This record gives sequence, structure tokens and C-alpha cells, in this order.
Amino acid sequence: NAGVTQTPKFQVLKTGQSMTLQCAQDMNHNSMYWYRQDPGMGLRLIYYSASEGTTDKGEVPNGYNVSRLNKREFSLRLESAAPSQTSVYFCASSQTGGLGEQYFGPGTRLTVT
Amino acid sequence: ILNVEQSPQSLHVQEGDSTNFTCSFPSSNFYALHWYRWETAKSPEALFVMTLNGDEKKKGRISATLNTKEGYSYLYIKGSQPEDSATYLCASSVRAGSAGNMLTFGGGTRLMVKP
Repeated sequence: NAGVTQTPKFQVLKTGQSMTLQCAQDMNHNSMYWYRQDPGMGLRLIYYSASEGTTDKGEVPNGYNVSRLNKREFSLRLESAAPSQTSVYFCASSQTGGLGEQYFGPGTRLTVT
Repeated sequence: ILNVEQSPQSLHVQEGDSTNFTCSFPSSNFYALHWYRWETAKSPEALFVMTLNGDEKKKGRISATLNTKEGYSYLYIKGSQPEDSATYLCASSVRAGSAGNMLTFGGGTRLMVKP
């Protein structure tokens, strides 16, 4: 099992460009999450999907959109990238119920110039 | 939004030292407390999940305790080794019902162990 995979690993964008970050999990988890990590700020939730077909805003959703394509895949889109979106982006998944342990992907390091 | 705080933000210790750091979280509607270990250029990996007041968990030289009444958890590392160098994240969750298991993360404690 690959666990949680993310593509790309690195990306450089110019201000105003758009891109989609892809995430997939093979653990049959219902819930999936997108976080951003900035120095000294831990992980902040951008969007989450509690189950296939549902998505909800997290703490910092502005400037992002998401799509839960199916149970396995959850993508994050930046429509018009801004330098403030320079960050490391992590996707995670968890099984609904239980203790909520989340499993993380390897991250995407995004730089917006 | 819960406010989860960790202290210290960073910590430098010598190999062989024992160390500990703190995670504080709101105790109302508490459900579970998670500790993650996050090495540079890797993804965070779960260390412990605790739910009950007084819980203690141990994995090798690393252990954690939980006090849900006062809203804090301690992570202890006995005899630190250079390979323990990482950022240690804690996260708290509340009962989220159908919204899924929402974690609120603290800012992390960055541990650096010098040989």
C-alpha cells in the first residue's frame, strides 16, 4: 500500500497562475484533508471532506477550491496564485469514527514568485 | 476553532539528555489528543493518541501523558539521540459527529539533539 500520495512534490508558480495539487489514498478512508504548513504556525486546515461528495471549509480556505473526485482522490486548486500562498501543503486522510488518527502524504512545496 | 499551544517553540539538547515539552489545549468538549513526529522533508507520523484523563503511552524512549481536566499533555524523551531531532506536533480534537475527525494543531516544538 502506498498510503497517501501527493503530486507534484515541488512547484514554482508566478503570481496569477493557477494549478491543482493532487492527493490520493489507498486506505479506503472516508475523510480527507488539506493543510498548509508555515514556519512557526504548525498545520492549518484549508479544506476537508468528511465523505465522498462533501467538502467543507477549514481555518484558511480563502484563495483555494477543492474537489473530492471519488473516495480515493481529493484535489486542491489555486485559481490565481499569490505570494502569500507560498507554503508546504499536506494532504491527509482518516477513517471516520475511531480516534481520528490522520495519515499524511509527503507534502508539496509551493513557491509563488 | 480550538487554540492548541506548544512550548517551547524550539529546544537544543545534548545527546543523552532527557527532555520534555508541553501541549496545552481547551478541555471543553475534548475528544482526543494526538502527538506526531515530523522530520524535515518527510510527512508527519503519528506517535500517540490519547483520550482518557491520566492516560500514559510509551514507545521506546518516548512517552506521553494526558491531563484532560486541566488541558495539557507532556511528551518526554529519555536519553535523547541525534535521530530524535524533529518537530513534535500535538493536535487536539473535539467530538465532531458527522463532520469527521477534525484536528487542531499546535505550532510544534522543534527539537535538535547535538552529538
